[in-house]
Amino acid sequence: EAQVTQNPRYLITVTGKKLTVTCSQNMNHEYMSWYRQDPGLGLRQIYYSMNVEVTDKGDVPEGYKVSRKEKRNFPLILESPSPNQTSLYFCASSLARWNTGELFFGEGSRLTVL
Amino acid sequence: DAKTTQPPSMDCAEGRAANLPCNHSTISGNEYVYWYRQIHSQGPQYIIHGLKNNETNEMASLIITEDRKSSTLILPHATLRDTAVYYCLRDDKIIFGKGTRLHILP
Repeated sequence: EAQVTQNPRYLITVTGKKLTVTCSQNMNHEYMSWYRQDPGLGLRQIYYSMNVEVTDKGDVPEGYKVSRKEKRNFPLILESPSPNQTSLYFCASSLARWNTGELFFGEGSRLTVL
Repeated sequence: DAKTTQPPSMDCAEGRAANLPCNHSTISGNEYVYWYRQIHSQGPQYIIHGLKNNETNEMASLIITEDRKSSTLILPHATLRDTAVYYCLRDDKIIFGKGTRLHILP
């Protein structure tokens, strides 16, 4: 089954404790992206990747890192999480080489930073 | 800058057609218009996309004006399960604005 898988789905952590949210897709998609969603603010793009070893900042990259060493994986890294990073996070992927085409989304990861 | 403008909310009676408008007055000639929806806190789901011609699939129809400055998503027979936030996007940069919260009324 074609899908985008995020882990963990739910996480409560404390300020400063490094964490990684994994994202994996099984559709051989070139384009992958991370979004965060907060009440009243809609979906905001954090980082995106056009292909392996190619990553770019989105609208709200501060406090986050990403890597794209393999085509299927695009982990989101919070080196030193802070309470303002409490949010619902979505990973998405797309077949298209450019940032077009149908986006497939994961089920979301709800992160709470205390 | 979402680059598209949508009403924040709309109501539609169950069984009626839901018509959701989107303004994208600065769209360029080779940009597609995409529609997604998000039910509760699930991941957004692709609905339909188009360039200049009207499009229809099993979920919805997309009507794009001749000048391409606006479009309308049509859900022909809305059901309670269509209650969601609907997002209209341009594909030069995939930006999700706040969308339209559609309430289907029983």
